[in-house]
Amino acid sequence: EIVLTQSPGTLSLSPGERATLSCRASQTVNLAWYQHKPGQAPRLLIFGASSRATGIPDRFSVSGSGTDFILTISRVEPEDSAVYYCQQYSSAPYTFGQGTKLEIK
Amino acid sequence: QVQLQESGPGLVKPSGTLSLTCAVSGDSIIRNNWWSWVRQSPGKGLEWLGEIYHTGHTNYNPSLMGRVTISVDTSKNQFTLTLTSVTAADSAVYYCAKDGPDDNYFMDVWGKGTTVTVSS
Repeated sequence: EIVLTQSPGTLSLSPGERATLSCRASQTVNLAWYQHKPGQAPRLLIFGASSRATGIPDRFSVSGSGTDFILTISRVEPEDSAVYYCQQYSSAPYTFGQGTKLEIK
Repeated sequence: QVQLQESGPGLVKPSGTLSLTCAVSGDSIIRNNWWSWVRQSPGKGLEWLGEIYHTGHTNYNPSLMGRVTISVDTSKNQFTLTLTSVTAADSAVYYCAKDGPDDNYFMDVWGKGTTVTVSS
């Protein structure tokens, strides 16, 4: 099973600041990122090298490849408060990271 | 646009069987993508449980130790999760999801989720 390790566990930022979330895989993977707010379904943000899902603003971007990936939110907004998960879809069982909680001050 | 809706009992007794259905609307379940179940236990992250193709082919998470079965009913445009021998550890919010096209196994459409509690 492929293990994904996300960091930091929690990130606290003010509106307009830049968020940098990391996901490291135990082997080379294809990766997707999700935003999950309490009481809602997870929402696909980005998949593949850097493809944004429908309706996702370009404030969200991904860099990296292989085993190390970074999700960047260029200027965070209050609505970005959520837990962000990475998921590898290269090999079943598909696995998720433990999540990074983004708090907006 | 495809929409998913989970349904099933919110309370299951220990050692019993959990059964949830995901109704697919807005498009046919007979598409070039797989259909998944994912859960989130209280205070924990997301766990992929398994997936099914409209032909009935399945993949399961080995962590469930053979307790899980996913089936599809193309005539009703729905698929079903069955989990046997449940314990309190199976209490979770259960989501059904549509995988991406062309063997891309990320989940691009999700149901709103349904809470299942295992308790006597």
